[in-house]
Amino acid sequence: QSVLTQPPSVSGAPGQRVTISCTGSSSNIGAGYDVHWYQQLPGKAPKLLIYGNSNRPSGVPDRFSGSKSGTSASLAISGLQAEDEADYYCQSYDSSLSGRVFGGGTKLTVL
Amino acid sequence: QVQLVQSGAEVRKPGASVKVSCKASGYTFTNYYMHWVRQAPGQGLEWMGIIIPSGGSTTYTQKLQGRLTMTKDTSTSTVYMELSSLRSEDTAVYYCARDNGGYNDYWGQGTLVTVSS
Repeated sequence: QSVLTQPPSVSGAPGQRVTISCTGSSSNIGAGYDVHWYQQLPGKAPKLLIYGNSNRPSGVPDRFSGSKSGTSASLAISGLQAEDEADYYCQSYDSSLSGRVFGGGTKLTVL
Repeated sequence: QVQLVQSGAEVRKPGASVKVSCKASGYTFTNYYMHWVRQAPGQGLEWMGIIIPSGGSTTYTQKLQGRLTMTKDTSTSTVYMELSSLRSEDTAVYYCARDNGGYNDYWGQGTLVTVSS
């Protein structure tokens, strides 16, 4: 059971827009800690996708965007492409655990 | 360019220990904290702990307290993760990942540790 809750899977057709939610609590996201997102392609190491709730590292397409409100955060992917098929993880800090926490991950399928 | 290169796959018997290395290059080693994260087969990411390369201070997840040790060698820009009293549930890919203010901007390629009798 992960501290941050994500849907196990989402899907969308090429060109569509999908969102992935990340729900926390008052000891992590709700306490004001930033949320970060990672993309993990099959058999590869995770790659930073969004940092500080809504910032994209250099090289990440602007099709990817992040937001945060209250005890939740969201990752939106617009203009879906086949290469976006991957697992996506949110991450934050939890004050009661005194450490980093990850969501359980969401598998994105491009139909 | 920043690179984190980890040691190769390991196979251990239950009760044994394993030590995985992560050699950093392309940046000033002592300026960035380093995390270890593991991923069991078909499962999600699990944060293990953090080491501060400049002084060696560590913080571990409570779940692994007593079995996990992180160390560093500043002369070779290498961090190490040692896990003892291995169990089958410790079978996973272990990643080192550089910290950049709350998030991990660079990751190692991963090291598969298999615990099997």
